[in-house]
Amino acid sequence: GAGVSQSPSNKVTEKGKDVELRCDPISGHTALYWYRQSLGQGLEFLIYFQGNSAPDKSGLPSDRFSAERTGGSVSTLTIQRTQQEDSAVYLCASSATSGADTQYFGPGTRLTVL
Amino acid sequence: GENVEQHPSTLSVQEGDSAVIKCTYSDSASNYFPWYKQELGKRPQLIIDIRSNVGEKKDQRIAVTLNKTAKHFSLHITETQPEDSAVYFCAAREQAGTALIFGKGTTLSVSS
Repeated sequence: GAGVSQSPSNKVTEKGKDVELRCDPISGHTALYWYRQSLGQGLEFLIYFQGNSAPDKSGLPSDRFSAERTGGSVSTLTIQRTQQEDSAVYLCASSATSGADTQYFGPGTRLTVL
Repeated sequence: GENVEQHPSTLSVQEGDSAVIKCTYSDSASNYFPWYKQELGKRPQLIIDIRSNVGEKKDQRIAVTLNKTAKHFSLHITETQPEDSAVYFCAAREQAGTALIFGKGTTLSVSS
């Protein structure tokens, strides 16, 4: 079946603008994760959704970052008033259940803030 | 919270040699340790994983070892090939349903 998909693949924006990044998890996967990968760095956890439970937001770097997951499927990561340090690849992953180990990653959205 | 350290940051080997990448973790409650391979411009792909009730796992040319007492785990690639060239990330997870905590990655270059 189809894997995790993300859109757009690339986004260039001006400092101060808001951006929305979208993630479509694997069908039927209940757990969804957002990570950020800055140049030359590892993957930094941002936020985690599991079914209808309250999300784990402990990784969000500031209150400019928020995410929603509607209907337990598609998720949108919103960054308000973007800053140059927000430039990174934003990766989404999903897993079958909260107890499932394997996380499957999407191709990422490369965000460039000018 | 969990912290994962990964070494080396870069590794160059000749085709056919072995490559070893090491990671340490801080939280003794962590129980799941995956390794991901990321080729340039591509998404991370799981290549092997190990759980805390196992000391070693092997899949063809790739093996992972885990030392719970010392809180470190290693990736071993034997008979390296040019297509093994990529960035490799280790990760640890404290409990089911929580996020993976990643190391900063190792860039492996295999020259023929």
